[in-house]
Amino acid sequence: AQTVTQSQPEMSVQEAETVTLSCTYDTSESDYYLFWYKQPPSRQMILVIRQEAYKQQNATENRFSVNFQKAAKSFSLKISDSQLGDAAMYFCAYVGGSNYKLTFGKGTLLTVNP
Amino acid sequence: DAGVIQSPRHEVTEMGQEVTLRCKPISGHNSLFWYRQTMMRGLELLIYFNNNVPIDDSGMPEDRFSAKMPNASFSTLKIQPSEPRDSAVYFCASTHRTGTSHYEQFFGPGTRLTVL
Repeated sequence: AQTVTQSQPEMSVQEAETVTLSCTYDTSESDYYLFWYKQPPSRQMILVIRQEAYKQQNATENRFSVNFQKAAKSFSLKISDSQLGDAAMYFCAYVGGSNYKLTFGKGTLLTVNP
Repeated sequence: DAGVIQSPRHEVTEMGQEVTLRCKPISGHNSLFWYRQTMMRGLELLIYFNNNVPIDDSGMPEDRFSAKMPNASFSTLKIQPSEPRDSAVYFCASTHRTGTSHYEQFFGPGTRLTVL
C-alpha cells in the first residue's frame, strides 16, 4: 500500500525567509502524481503545486517549488520569500497507477513570524 | 467559475438525528470524492464516484453512512442516526479522470459537523 510521510509536524519561518517542508512516499508504481495542498485556518484545501513522476524537471509555481527525488521517493516543498499568508497546514499527497485514491500525509503546520 | 459547492457549511445536531450533507461538483468533472477530516485520523476517503456510479465505498465507517449521486451535478452524504464520534469536517472534491491520467482534486469548503 502507498504511504506518505511528513516527518515535520510543525515548522516556523521568518517572513521573507525560505523554508522547506519534507515529504517521503512509498510506492511500487512507476506512474504517479504528487501534490502539495495548503489548508489555511479557513480549512479550504488549496492546491499549491503538482508533479508528474515521469517529468524530471521540478515543478515551480511562483514562490513555491519542489525538489522531486524519484529514486529516493522524496518530494519536498520550498517556499521562498515567505509571507504571512503562507501560514497554514500543508499536506503532501500521492495518487498513482490505476488507483484513484489520494493518499495524504499527516500534514505540517507552518507558522510565519513577522 | 464556481468551484465545488458544499452545504451546509456548519451543522450542529443532536445524537440520533439524521444529517444530510450536499455537494455540487465542478461542471464537467466526472469523479467525485467524499472525505472526512479529524485530528486523530487526518483526511480519510469515504467514497468515490465515477460517472455517478459508486466505485469504492470501503471507507464508509458503517451502515449509518450512505452516499448517493443521482446526477452529474449533485451528491449527498447521509448519516442516520448520527453519533458524537461523527463530528468532523466533511469535504467533497471533484476532478476529471481520463484513463490513467490524474488531475488535481478540487475541494469544496467543507462542512463542519458537530453532533452533541
